[in-house]
Amino acid sequence: AQSVSQHNHHVILSEAASLELGCNYSYGGTVNLFWYVQYPGQHLQLLLKYFSGDPLVKGIKGFEAEFIKSKFSFNLRKPSVQWSDTAEYFCAVRGSQGNLIFGKGTKLSVKP
Amino acid sequence: KAGVTQTPRYLIKTRGQQVTLSCSPISGHRSVSWYQQTPGQGLQFLFEYFSETQRNKGNFPGRFSGRQFSNSRSEMNVSTLELGDSALYLCASSWDSTITDTQYFGPGTRLTVL
Repeated sequence: AQSVSQHNHHVILSEAASLELGCNYSYGGTVNLFWYVQYPGQHLQLLLKYFSGDPLVKGIKGFEAEFIKSKFSFNLRKPSVQWSDTAEYFCAVRGSQGNLIFGKGTKLSVKP
Repeated sequence: KAGVTQTPRYLIKTRGQQVTLSCSPISGHRSVSWYQQTPGQGLQFLFEYFSETQRNKGNFPGRFSGRQFSNSRSEMNVSTLELGDSALYLCASSWDSTITDTQYFGPGTRLTVL
């Protein structure tokens, strides 16, 4: 069965620190990959997506992710986090039926 | 363009009751998907409707059902509520849940079952 693993349950960083959140998926076919963010009290918002082409994808708010096919990974990065990045981050892969399969999420806490 | 809207935002029900949740997709979007979000299980796919037809279904019992109207608005119904049905129910819309499409999420309906 298709699945998504996010290795970090909770990450705590200080402002200006660099961020990398891990995401691995299991799916042998063509993949569509997504990162969504859920700020406290707000709805899920799309950060970035990968469908094809350049494996380095740039998203909103300075986030980027790199698709590494050989490692089945799609890690999220940001060079310098801000307090406002405090949120829960979800990696997702599109399943064979078109639905999204999500990881369990990573909570990011940024200390001012 | 207005985003996905869901009503009501909060609901409190008791075990055994039934509940109906509503979702209005982004204008022009024909696909509506429903997800359940809980702290233990995370985000899980319930079902997807496209042009008034259920196109895909996740692994949930038959107590969970839905429908879609000609204007693409969708409703989700849960009958005989159980305590474990307490969750945030999210609706997502897209033009078509094809391989190159993106799903946009609503704010969710928080259901509490007592």
